[in-house]
Amino acid sequence: SYELTQPPSVSVSPGQTVSITCSGDKLGDKYASWYQQKPGQSPVLVIYQDKKRSSGLPERFSGSNSGNTATLTISGTQALDEADYYCQTWDSSTVVFGGGTKLTVL
Amino acid sequence: EVQLLESGGGLVQPGGSLRLSCAASGFTLSSYAMGWVRQAPKKGLEWVSTVNSNGGSIYYAGSVKGRFTISRDISENTLYLHLNSLRAEDTAVYFCAKDCSTTGTTCAFDIWGQGTMVAVSS
Repeated sequence: SYELTQPPSVSVSPGQTVSITCSGDKLGDKYASWYQQKPGQSPVLVIYQDKKRSSGLPERFSGSNSGNTATLTISGTQALDEADYYCQTWDSSTVVFGGGTKLTVL
Repeated sequence: EVQLLESGGGLVQPGGSLRLSCAASGFTLSSYAMGWVRQAPKKGLEWVSTVNSNGGSIYYAGSVKGRFTISRDISENTLYLHLNSLRAEDTAVYFCAKDCSTTGTTCAFDIWGQGTMVAVSS
């Protein structure tokens, strides 16, 4: 079965740029999406179809997908961006989620 | 406003059954694919099932295939998930989610409900 691999945790200082990666075999040939989930809340769509920003999301969130890696980049990271981030794709009639990355804003 | 409201969760014994409901408002189920995603305590997201906009294509995760059934009542604008032969490992918060496409295979889950908790224990 298809797998998506994310780093368990990433940290960033406020105001800096951070990238969260998601790796999968030939992921660049598929669409990748990203979700943000804060403690006790439902997931929120951040990026879909590799680089489209979900309605209402700040422009500091951007996405890319090429080769075997999709990347979520947050520019000018703010404290409120601290959350778990999950990548997702579709493969062989199956929705696949990555294991999630905990973003800490120090 | 587009909203999803789940209900039907609870405590059930292993081998038992449950029906989860997801009432949609602000859009019609027949216009979008819909899905269920679960999250075990302190774990990541796990996709459960997706149905496309016309109900003609249904997909299940291998872990629930043959035990769970997704269905819709278009007249009530409600999505369901029927859970049978429940196991301890099915314990999770179950979210329903709207896809931003009709197929469920090319877009993403753009609207999520608040989730309903299912606990399987004797």
